[in-house]
Amino acid sequence: QSVLTQPPSTSGTPGQRVTISCSGSSSNIGSNTVNWYQQLPGTAPKLLIYSNNQRPSGVPDRFSGSKSGTSASLAISGLQSEDEADYYCASWDHSLNGPVFGGGTKLTVL
Amino acid sequence: EVQLVESGGGLLQPGGSLRLSCAASGFTFSSYAMSWVRQAPGKGLEWVSAISGRGGSTNYADSVEGRFTISRDNSKNTLYLQMNSLRAEDTAVYYCARVSTMIVVGIPSNAFDIWGQGTMVTVSS
Repeated sequence: QSVLTQPPSTSGTPGQRVTISCSGSSSNIGSNTVNWYQQLPGTAPKLLIYSNNQRPSGVPDRFSGSKSGTSASLAISGLQSEDEADYYCASWDHSLNGPVFGGGTKLTVL
Repeated sequence: EVQLVESGGGLLQPGGSLRLSCAASGFTFSSYAMSWVRQAPGKGLEWVSAISGRGGSTNYADSVEGRFTISRDNSKNTLYLQMNSLRAEDTAVYYCARVSTMIVVGIPSNAFDIWGQGTMVTVSS
């Protein structure tokens, strides 16, 4: 059971906009920033969004992040087939004194 | 090119020990905290341990506290994870990851901005 809660799966068609939610508590998301990672099949995770809504260099602006209270969201607009991957949210947890991850959301592009 | 390359994974029996290594290149290794993150087969990501840039501060997930030891040799640009008393539930791909120094509005991101390709550890009798 992951500390952060994500839907196990979601799907969309090319060009569509999809969102992935991430729910936490006051000890993690409620008091710290959220990062998002993309893991393409068979590869290592890659940083997608940091500090709630910042994109590292090279990440397309189709990807955006937001945070409100103890929840966060990742939005992907103009969905492409290469976006098919697992997406993980993460945040520092004061109670556990370490970073915690969501269980991951598998995005399928139909 | 900024790169992390893990090595040392393998198959071993419960109760055994193993040391993983992570060779860093393309950046000033000692300027960054580093972490180990693992992923059990078909499962999500789990943070394992972290160490400060100079190695003076470490912390661990409860699941490995007392069994695993993280360390680093900045002269060799290498991160280590000594794993003792291994259990079947430690079976996973182990990734080393660099902790970003990015700070936004005064708050550290604590993001893992560079990841290695991972090394597989299988604990089975």
